[in-house]
Amino acid sequence: GAGVSQSPSNKVTEKGKDVELRCDPISGHTALYWYRQRLGQGLEFLIYFQGNSAPDKSGLPSDRFSAERTGESVSTLTIQRTQQEDSAVYLCASSLTGGSGYEQYFGPGTRLTVT
Amino acid sequence: KNEVEQSPQNLTAQEGEFITINCSYSVGISALHWLQQHPGGGIVSLFMLSSGKKKHGRLIATINIQEKHSSLHITASHPRDSAVYICAVRSGNTGKLIFGQGTTLQVKP
Repeated sequence: GAGVSQSPSNKVTEKGKDVELRCDPISGHTALYWYRQRLGQGLEFLIYFQGNSAPDKSGLPSDRFSAERTGESVSTLTIQRTQQEDSAVYLCASSLTGGSGYEQYFGPGTRLTVT
Repeated sequence: KNEVEQSPQNLTAQEGEFITINCSYSVGISALHWLQQHPGGGIVSLFMLSSGKKKHGRLIATINIQEKHSSLHITASHPRDSAVYICAVRSGNTGKLIFGQGTTLQVKP
């Protein structure tokens, strides 16, 4: 079946612009995660959705970052007034449900470059 | 100190060698994952384990909960095993992952 998809695959934007990154999870997966991987660094957690609610937003680095999920499906990560330090690969993952015991399936990522 | 530490950071091996990558963590966990990331960024889950040992083909993962330590072994390594291997732990009840910095493996023919 179809895996996790993300769009766009690459995004170049000018500093100060807003960007939206999209994630389509595997159908039926109620849990959705956003992660970030900056160049040369490890992956870091941003936000977790269970259904359309976000019980854990602890990884969002600033109030310029927000995310929403609708219909227990698509999620959008929005970065306002982008800064150069926002340049990274943004990865989305989904699992059947949250909590332990369930595999997370990763999308291919969106490579964001802020110039 | 990171909550998840991997060693070594970089590893070069000759084809056929037995490879071990280590992961230590300092938090309580519900599960530990080993992930593989190829150039180009795609991440594939290799193992998810909460106790004991799992084997898949030439890959073996072990975990010692008391020692808070896990190892990933690759037997009869091959150049196609060249990738970044990432250890990640699930802590808390949300399922979010805390990642190690990754181990870059290069297997030379």
